[in-house]
Amino acid sequence: GAGVSQSPSNKVTEKGKDVELRCDPISGHTALYWYRQSLGQGLEFLIYFQGNSAPDKSGLPSDRFSAERTGGSVSTLTIQRTQQEDSAVYLCASSLDPTVISYEQYFGPGTRLTVT
Amino acid sequence: AQSVAQPEDQVNVAEGNPLTVKCTYSVSGNPYLFWYVQYPNRGLQFLLKYITGDNLVKGSYGFEAEFNKSQTSFHLKKPSALVSDSALYFCAVSLWRIIFGKGTRLHILP
Repeated sequence: GAGVSQSPSNKVTEKGKDVELRCDPISGHTALYWYRQSLGQGLEFLIYFQGNSAPDKSGLPSDRFSAERTGGSVSTLTIQRTQQEDSAVYLCASSLDPTVISYEQYFGPGTRLTVT
Repeated sequence: AQSVAQPEDQVNVAEGNPLTVKCTYSVSGNPYLFWYVQYPNRGLQFLLKYITGDNLVKGSYGFEAEFNKSQTSFHLKKPSALVSDSALYFCAVSLWRIIFGKGTRLHILP
C-alpha cells in the first residue's frame, strides 16, 4: 500500500516568509510525528499527534512553528517568518495505535527546506 | 528521563568483515528498542526492534541486534558487511515516546 507522503519535496523560500509543509500518513495510522534533520545529522523531535488527544508540542523550537492535523489524517507544519537556521529536512512519520509504543514508525521522504 | 546514545559518529569497516554499530540506552523501565537506517537521499527505514523474549533480534538486510539488559546496550551487527550497507543508522528507545540517537554513519570500504 501507499507509504507516508510529504509535499513539497523541496522548498526554497526567502527569509521572513511563511511556509507550509504537508504530510499524508499511512491510512489507519493514528500517530503522526514531525522531526527535523539538519545536514544528515540526528533527528530533532518537533511534535507528536496521538489520535484525538492534545498533541505533544514539547519539541517545537519556537512559537514560529505550529502544526495541525485535520480529521486525524493529514498534517500541516507551518513555519512563520522563516529564518536561515530553519533550513533542514523536515521528516514526517506515522505509526499504528499510539498507545502501543512498540509499533515502529514509517517515515516519509521528507521536505528539504532552504531559507535564503 | 529516557535517553539513547550512539557513541560513534562514524564507523569504517572493510567489505566482508563483520560490523557493529553501538547503542546504549538509559530508561527507568523496560524499553522497546529500535534500529532505523537512512540510505543516501532516502527516508528512514525500520530495520528491527526488540520488544521482549529472545535477546537476539533479526531484521532486514541480514542485520541483527543483541539486547543486553545488564549493559543497557542494543548493538547492531552484521556478520559480513556489504558496500551497499553504507548509510546512516539510528538507534531509538521507546518507553512513553520514541527517542532517537544522533546517528552513526557507517562506511563500508570496498
